[in-house]
Amino acid sequence: DAGVIQSPRHEVTEMGQEVTLRCKPISGHDYLFWYRQTMMRGLELLIYFNNNVPIDDSGMPEDRFSAKMPNASFSTLKIQPSEPRDSAVYFCASTEGGNTDTQYFGPGTRLTVL
Amino acid sequence: GESVGLHLPTLSVQEGDNSIINCAYSNSASDYFIWYKQESGKGPQFIIDIRSNMDKRQGQRVTVLLNKTVKHLSLQIAATQPGDSAVYFCAEKEGAGGGNKLTFGTGTQLKVEL
Repeated sequence: DAGVIQSPRHEVTEMGQEVTLRCKPISGHDYLFWYRQTMMRGLELLIYFNNNVPIDDSGMPEDRFSAKMPNASFSTLKIQPSEPRDSAVYFCASTEGGNTDTQYFGPGTRLTVL
Repeated sequence: GESVGLHLPTLSVQEGDNSIINCAYSNSASDYFIWYKQESGKGPQFIIDIRSNMDKRQGQRVTVLLNKTVKHLSLQIAATQPGDSAVYFCAEKEGAGGGNKLTFGTGTQLKVEL
């Protein structure tokens, strides 16, 4: 099992540019989560999907952030326009659902906005 | 200017000693708890979990204890090794009606001294 796959692993961009982060969950997992980790705020849930449908996006900071899950094996988190305060490590996680609550995390994307 | 980040509690132990990492949770409706280990530059890695109908669960070299009366969770690591050095996070999930969200603590830095 390849685990949760994220790309790119590192992204450096300039303020105002669009950034797209990608995630492939573990095959067969029905839930997908996007988190952001910073020194200031720790690990924060941004949004999560169940069967490709967004369930809770209350953690999305503002309209500059959007997430999609067009199919069961792919999700994107987009920031447009990016700002320096968006610099963080973004993690994707997935879980089977049902009676299983264990979330498995990807390696993360380290985003730096200059 | 100087950035102010979360102050992570640090636990320093000698190699071979047992480690105990503590976590206080706030939601009495939480019915699932999980411990993650995060090494530098990596995503959180699942260690062990426990449901609220249990008060103890053991894994390989790790034990999780749950005290619902005082809303306290602990992770015990036996015979701590240098490879155990990492940040450890506890997380909780609210029961029915809370969705599938995990709420993470701020983490504890474990340092293993040789």
